[in-house]
Amino acid sequence: QVQLVESGGGVVQPGRSLRLSCAASEFTLSNYAIHWVRQAPGKGLEWVAVISYDGSNKYFADSVKGRFTVSRDNSKNRVYLQLNSLRAEDTALYYCARDPSLTGDYYMDVWGKGTTVTVSS
Amino acid sequence: DIQMTQSPSTLSASVGDRVTITCRASQSISSWLAWYQQKPGKAPKLLIYKASNLESGVPSRFSGSGSGTEFTLTISSLQPDDFATYYCQRYNSYSAFGQGTKLEIK
Repeated sequence: QVQLVESGGGVVQPGRSLRLSCAASEFTLSNYAIHWVRQAPGKGLEWVAVISYDGSNKYFADSVKGRFTVSRDNSKNRVYLQLNSLRAEDTALYYCARDPSLTGDYYMDVWGKGTTVTVSS
Repeated sequence: DIQMTQSPSTLSASVGDRVTITCRASQSISSWLAWYQQKPGKAPKLLIYKASNLESGVPSRFSGSGSGTEFTLTISSLQPDDFATYYCQRYNSYSAFGQGTKLEIK
């Protein structure tokens, strides 16, 4: 079954870092761009970042630009979201989602179940 | 940035009703719009892409229309499984979601 599985979430203090991982199964990750989308408790969806199929292009929402980075290891079928300088407002459920294009400027056709990040002292 | 605004924020309807949700873009996005359904505790599910294309496996009671700045998602005859929150998403130049429309049982 085609699926994405996120991991790496947890409780972290403000200012600290965390790395999230997104693993793909039953499809070849290197053929797709991958987005990260987050959802704060009780709130709507917020697009966070996208990485192209080969990692050559990356784009970020203004709210995380300069603090978050995204990378991928296609040999391991994984994409990573590095969260630095975390703030309370970064507390959310983080989803990775597949984009059927190579470049990452399309919609999202497969979603993981998400991993929770809580930023609290 | 191009902003996406959905209306209404909440919609109360009954099984069998025809309902329409609107999504407006602050400037033209051609047909680069998708619709998603999200149920509590679940990941979003793609319903419609490129404004009017039905994703495989999605019931035909769902339809999308529009282009430019105004788009609609229509459910022709509400089923019990359709009560959820719906989001529009613009794409093709970065990405952004509308704030969501919660479809409730009347």
